Amino acid sequence: GENVEQHPSTLSVQEGDSAVIKCTYSDSASNYFPWYKQELGKRPQLIIDIRSNVGEKKDQRIAVTLNKTAKHFSLHITETQPEDSAVYFCAASLTGGGNKLTFGTGTQLKVEL
Amino acid sequence: NAGVTQTPKFQVLKTGQSMTLQCAQDMNHNSMYWYRQDPGMGLRLIYYSASEGTTDKGEVPNGYNVSRLNKREFSLRLESAAPSQTSVYFCASSSGTGIGNTIYFGEGSWLTVV
Repeated sequence: GENVEQHPSTLSVQEGDSAVIKCTYSDSASNYFPWYKQELGKRPQLIIDIRSNVGEKKDQRIAVTLNKTAKHFSLHITETQPEDSAVYFCAASLTGGGNKLTFGTGTQLKVEL
Repeated sequence: NAGVTQTPKFQVLKTGQSMTLQCAQDMNHNSMYWYRQDPGMGLRLIYYSASEGTTDKGEVPNGYNVSRLNKREFSLRLESAAPSQTSVYFCASSSGTGIGNTIYFGEGSWLTVV
């Protein structure tokens, strides 16, 4: 099955700096890569996603890049704010896999004032 | 429009007891899922239901059973709870199983087995 690795497990940045979280996946058949944000004690919520036919996608301060050849994708957050502090999960879904997501282990992002 | 609603929110069980986690969605979604979340391990799929009347195993199905009661409801049952099943359980739904259908999560159920 699919295996998704996520790094780093914790990330601390100063407010206004950029944050980058990286994930690698094992199955070249994966073609959908969402990112979820989970605040403490809350549900995971989708913040951005990308499909394998796209190399980059941006939504305001958040962007995701995908390198199919290397089988890795990254989340970029610019101009970080305290409310960006949360756990971020990457995930991958296989073609024909029934929309079943395989998640990374999460990155605890802390934005310090 | 409540989205995905799951009950109970908190539960403490003794080893060997049974219980059912209930989940309902009001988004007219076809597909529903149960995930568990453990520290340092992300979310792992227990079972899913691609459509009403079908259920399939996910990554960690052992010790669990599910029932897709109707289009709205998808329950998760622990027949004989074990301490290893202490976790946070999330029900989720999506409009379908086609690639890219956004998965929406419920608020979670915190289960402790002692």
